[in-house]
Amino acid sequence: AQSVAQPEDQVNVAEGNPLTVKCTYSVSGNPYLFWYVQYPNRGLQFLLKYITGDNLVKGSYGFEAEFNKSQTSFHLKKPSALVSDSALYFCAVRALNRDDKIIFGKGTRLHILP
Amino acid sequence: DGGITQSPKYLFRKEGQNVTLSCEQNLNHDAMYWYRQDPGQGLRLIYYSQIVNDFQKGDIAEGYSVSREKKESFPLTVTSAQKNPTAFYLCASSISGGNEAFFGQGTRLTVV
Repeated sequence: AQSVAQPEDQVNVAEGNPLTVKCTYSVSGNPYLFWYVQYPNRGLQFLLKYITGDNLVKGSYGFEAEFNKSQTSFHLKKPSALVSDSALYFCAVRALNRDDKIIFGKGTRLHILP
Repeated sequence: DGGITQSPKYLFRKEGQNVTLSCEQNLNHDAMYWYRQDPGQGLRLIYYSQIVNDFQKGDIAEGYSVSREKKESFPLTVTSAQKNPTAFYLCASSISGGNEAFFGQGTRLTVV
């Protein structure tokens, strides 16, 4: 069965510092991995995805993520945090099997402190 | 405008009543999904559909029903059998096969 773990409920980072939001996954077969961001009372916005190729994926708003197959991780990163990055972040996994479900983690709330 | 439309944005119902949440997409996507969001629990999959006239249960399907009679529409009915229906409901769609999902703006259902 597919699953996603986001071990931190909340991450606090000072503005201008680098940020990391952690994600590990479990899936049979090749994983398709995604990061989304959610602002209050809104739907989810897509940030970036890993399907194949380079392990470092670049996405919207200066975010990037690093795929590590041996550690089954897909951590979200940004070199310099902005106050406007404060939001709820979700990691998701999709497997190209018969089910083709997209499973999300519980989310990590990111607070960027001015 | 292309996208996914969920309606209404806010919905109030009395306990014991069935209620149907609308989800329409004009992206020509084959796959559609319904998720429930509760504080601290992330997004949990209720039902999903990979093609018209076919759908599968997700992790928390009990007390919910869906239909997929048209490619662009995937309505969710919250029945009186759902023990705790108050939540934020999100609909999504995607191209099949490894691609990202696009989300609607959500419907906040409150049962009193």
